[in-house]
Amino acid sequence: AQTVTQSQPEMSVQEAETVTLSCTYDTSESDYYLFWYKQPPSRQMILVIRQEAYKQQNATENRFSVNFQKAAKSFSLKISDSQLGDAAMYFCAYAPGTDKLIFGTGTRLQVFP
Amino acid sequence: DTAVSQTPKYLVTQMGNDKSIKCEQNLGHDTMYWYKQDSKKFLKIMFSYNNKELIINETVPNRFSPKSPDKAHLNLHINSLELGDSAVYFCASSQRGGLGYGYTFGSGTRLTVV
Repeated sequence: AQTVTQSQPEMSVQEAETVTLSCTYDTSESDYYLFWYKQPPSRQMILVIRQEAYKQQNATENRFSVNFQKAAKSFSLKISDSQLGDAAMYFCAYAPGTDKLIFGTGTRLQVFP
Repeated sequence: DTAVSQTPKYLVTQMGNDKSIKCEQNLGHDTMYWYKQDSKKFLKIMFSYNNKELIINETVPNRFSPKSPDKAHLNLHINSLELGDSAVYFCASSQRGGLGYGYTFGSGTRLTVV
C-alpha cells in the first residue's frame, strides 16, 4: 500500500530559527512527485514546495528546502529563519503519477516569538 | 479571481437532510477532486473526475454522489446526512499529466451535522 508517514504530530520553533519536519513514504513506483502543503488556521491548502522523484537535486523555495532521500523514501522539509506566519499544519503528500495525492497525517508547527 | 471556488463555506444541517456543495474552477484544468478532511485533520480522496468522467471513487458511501456537468464544475450531493459526515470538504483541480505541479485547492466547506 502507498502510505505517507509524518511521525511528528507537533513541532515548535523559535522565531528566526530553523526547523525540520519529517516525512517518509512507502511506494514501489520509481517515478512520482512529492509535495509539502501548508494549512494555516484559515484552512486554505497552500503548496509550499514540490519535488520530482527523478531529480537528484533537492528543491528549494526561498526559506523552504527539502532533503529528498529516494533510497530511504524520506522527504523532510526545512524551514529556515522561521516567521510567525509559518505557524500552520504542514502536510506531506505523494503523487504516484495517477490522479490522486496521498497525504500524511500532518505536523502542527508552532512558532514562538 | 478565485481559481477554485466552493460554496458554501459553512453548512450546518440536521441529520437526515440532503445537501449539496458546489465547486467551480477557472484554471482550465481537466481533472477535479473531492477530498474529505476529518476532525483529526486527515485528508483523504473521495472522488476524481476527468473531463466529466469518474476516474476515482474511493469506497465512499452511496449517499455521496458527485456530479460534473462540465470540466469546470464538480458538485457533491450528500443524501441522508449522518453525524459522521461532519468534516471539511475540499474541492481541488489539476491538469492530468501535470499532476507533478500539484493541486489547486478550494478554501473548503465545513459541514456540521447536528
